[in-house]
Amino acid sequence: EPEVTQTPSHQVTQMGQEVILRCVPISNHLYFYWYRQILGQKVEFLVSFYNNEISEKSEIFDDQFSVERPDGSNFTLKIRSTKLEDSAMYFCASSPKDRYQPQHFGDGTRLSIL
Amino acid sequence: SQQGEEDPQALSIQEGENATMNCSYKTSINNLQWYRQNSGRGLVHLILIRSNEREKHSGRLRVTLDTSKKSSSLLITASRAADTASYFCATLGGGSNYKLTFGKGTLLTVNP
Repeated sequence: EPEVTQTPSHQVTQMGQEVILRCVPISNHLYFYWYRQILGQKVEFLVSFYNNEISEKSEIFDDQFSVERPDGSNFTLKIRSTKLEDSAMYFCASSPKDRYQPQHFGDGTRLSIL
Repeated sequence: SQQGEEDPQALSIQEGENATMNCSYKTSINNLQWYRQNSGRGLVHLILIRSNEREKHSGRLRVTLDTSKKSSSLLITASRAADTASYFCATLGGGSNYKLTFGKGTLLTVNP
């Protein structure tokens, strides 16, 4: 069964550094997402992406965050200047356009900011 | 407002017993989904129930939805040690957005 893959599985970065998290969504999906889960807390929506543009974003997704689909397969989340509070598990997901189809999640990237 | 609140927060049962987890939400929804998360891993989709459905089955899973009470339940029958995980409900709102709103989850422990 096709799956969403994320790299790296664990990223350790110094505060203030830029970080790029990478995802390969399921190939025939049209919607792509980033969510995050701070340790012990809920999974929170960050952003959705469709037709090469952001379709929705949360309050968390401020100017420090950006997303890109640089080619036909990858989907990236960039954090420009990381803060301690950005430490979390970041999940990529993808889905078809049909809202009655589930979103499929990757295994996540654990981001640790020192 | 908080959406998708599960209870109980933790549930410990013996293998073979049934496990029931509940979820409440506050706003109108398009559908409600249940996910499982094994420790340190990603979210695995279990089942989706549409707002116009009342009950859905998938293998040992049974989901109910009561839109008048804005609540859902997930029943896992004949539980196994491998069912040990966190279970989350997530709602997709009305309108045209695709944002899933997750609850805090129920940690299920199935003891052999």
